[in-house]
Amino acid sequence: QSALTQPASVSGSPGQSITISCTGTNSDIGAYKYVSWYQHHLGQVPKLIIYDVSNRPSGVSDRFSGSKSGNTASLSVSGLQVEDEADYYCLSYTRTYGLVFGGGTKLTVL
Amino acid sequence: EVQLVQSGAEVKKSGESLKISCKGSGYTFDTYWIAWVRQMPGKGLEWMGVIYPGDSETRYTPSFEGQFTISADKSISTAYLQWSSLKASDTAIYFCARHRGGNGWSFEHWGQGTLVTVSP
Repeated sequence: QSALTQPASVSGSPGQSITISCTGTNSDIGAYKYVSWYQHHLGQVPKLIIYDVSNRPSGVSDRFSGSKSGNTASLSVSGLQVEDEADYYCLSYTRTYGLVFGGGTKLTVL
Repeated sequence: EVQLVQSGAEVKKSGESLKISCKGSGYTFDTYWIAWVRQMPGKGLEWMGVIYPGDSETRYTPSFEGQFTISADKSISTAYLQWSSLKASDTAIYFCARHRGGNGWSFEHWGQGTLVTVSP
């Protein structure tokens, strides 16, 4: 199966805002509200930061927000901080084969 | 506190078999899906499959199906990922993760990862 499509990299300066897109099809992102986002620092364990498109787990900063339009989900990070530098992955339920990750986006905070 | 503790790093040769584990604690093990996720060296996260320990219902990503087996023993709150014949391309970090619960498909609790190294 094809991974969801994410930009390979995005960057921003401290204090700025960025958005990471995750594009799928009408068999996954477009069909369900089951999109989640994960932050993964190198050498650490992935961390759930958004579930069901736009919900934040307890303890996750409100600087992180999620949305969806059609076949594309988006993760926005406001007030960028150095510690936000990490890889970010979207995950969606699919009609055909369960779940699928995006290819991942490396966020660099300049 | 929910915890998933995975078995330690493994070094194997091609053709050998392997079974790695993921032990859950701090919750009712057989009522939450457990997933396995692969991260090959320098690559992104890949969804492998998922199991519901309560009845052992298992779902595999089609592209991975047949390459490994996911199982669980609810009596000891442990999920497993096993290979009957490893390949060098199985070299990766393998994470287990627990379903958050509810109707969605998100995974809030993760094991620390198991590094599997397979030599040719």
